[in-house]
Amino acid sequence: GPKVLQIPSHQIIDMGQMVTLNCDPVSNHLYFYWYKQILGQQMEFLVNFYNGKVMEKSKLFKDQFSVERPDGSYFTLKIQPTALEDSAVYFCASSLLTGGYAEQFFGPGTRLTVL
Amino acid sequence: AQSVTQPDARVTVSEGASLQLRCKYSYFGTPYLFWYVQYPRQGLQLLLKYYPGDPVVQGVNGFEAEFSKSNSSFHLRKASVHWSDWAVYFCAVSIRAQGLTFGLGTRVSVFP
Repeated sequence: GPKVLQIPSHQIIDMGQMVTLNCDPVSNHLYFYWYKQILGQQMEFLVNFYNGKVMEKSKLFKDQFSVERPDGSYFTLKIQPTALEDSAVYFCASSLLTGGYAEQFFGPGTRLTVL
Repeated sequence: AQSVTQPDARVTVSEGASLQLRCKYSYFGTPYLFWYVQYPRQGLQLLLKYYPGDPVVQGVNGFEAEFSKSNSSFHLRKASVHWSDWAVYFCAVSIRAQGLTFGLGTRVSVFP
C-alpha cells in the first residue's frame, strides 16, 4: 500500500540546537500531519498542514516548532531551539482527503533524543 | 475534550485462539473511530474504521470491531490469531476534521 517515509529514523542532538525532521508523504496526498509520542505516553496530535498553511495545531505545537513543505518536497518539522522535553518519537502522516473519516497514512517515526 | 482508553497494555494469546482488544472513548456525540496496527519498525497501518451505521465493522486480515454507543466502546476482535498478528494495536477517535486522538496502545504477543 501507500507508504510514508521519514528521515532520519534516529536523531541525537544537544539541547538548544536546531533539528529538522523530514517526511516524504504519499505522492498524491494533500493533507499532512505531525504527531508526538513521548515514551510510555499516548501519541498526540501536533499540527496539520494543507496548501502551504497550518490548518490546526495543538497546545503541544510550541512557538519553537515550525512546519513547511517547500515546492512539494519533504514535509518538515523544525524545532529551534530544542529542549529536553522535545525528546520523543515524531510520526508524520498524510491523507488524500480531510474530515473525521479520512484515512491517515503514517510513517515509521523519527526518534529524537535531546541531550 | 475527547479521549480514548485502552485498558490492557499487554495481551498474550496462543496462536489459533481468539483475541479481543478493548477500547473505550469519551465523547458526547458519535465519533469516527479507527483501529490501527503497528508492526515492528513500521508505521501505523489502518485495520478498520467506523462511520455511523452498521455497528460491526469488518477490517483487514480477519479483524472486526463492534461499536457500542451505550457503552462508549469500540472493541476489536479476531476469531483465530496468527503469529503475524504480533504487534501494537491503537484505537483512535476523530471528532474534528483534523487530528486523531489515540489510546496508549495494546501490545499483543502471540505464542505457539
